[in-house]
Amino acid sequence: DAGVTQSPTHLIKTRGQQVTLRCSPKSGHDTVSWYQQALGQGPQFIFQYYEEEERQRGNFPDRFSGHQFPNYSSELNVNALLLGDSALYLCASSSLAPGLGTEAFFGQGTRLTVV
Amino acid sequence: GESVGLHLPTLSVQEGDNSIINCAYSNSASDYFIWYKQESGKGPQFIIDIRSNMDKRQGQRVTVLLNKTVKHLSLQIAATQPGDSAVYFCAEWGGATNKLIFGTGTLLAVQP
Repeated sequence: DAGVTQSPTHLIKTRGQQVTLRCSPKSGHDTVSWYQQALGQGPQFIFQYYEEEERQRGNFPDRFSGHQFPNYSSELNVNALLLGDSALYLCASSSLAPGLGTEAFFGQGTRLTVV
Repeated sequence: GESVGLHLPTLSVQEGDNSIINCAYSNSASDYFIWYKQESGKGPQFIIDIRSNMDKRQGQRVTVLLNKTVKHLSLQIAATQPGDSAVYFCAEWGGATNKLIFGTGTLLAVQP
């Protein structure tokens, strides 16, 4: 049973460019959440997708957008990259039960470096 | 941001000793909590969880304690091994918000 998979594992982009990161959730999970983790800090919630819609959003600008596909996989897009966007981007999959917390499993992350 | 992590606290223990990692959570309405282990360059790995209707839960070599009165979680690792060296995060499921909020991580360094 494949866990959460993310691609690519590493990426280098130039300031001002756009980037797309991809995530396939764990089998049986229907919810994908994206997190940004700066070096030495805990993950910060970006947004969550369920039933192909954005359900929750953290304190991130509109440059951060996403999408969920019918097979539950998801993309994170970041436009107009800034140096401060350099971080580890994590995808977490879970099975959303409204009002209840559920196990969330993380992928290995995509290390984005903006130069 | 919603997670606070400026300077990671560090816990240094000898191999074979027991480790206790503490975490304060923020939302009294949170009803579900998870401990994650994160090794360098990897994503967080699920260790153990606990719901707010419990105050203790045990896994293999790990125990989580929940004190709702003071909004405090702890992770106990028995017979700590070098492979346990990592950053440990607690995360709370923020009540009705349906998202995980991470606490400040703790770096566990196991000395052989």
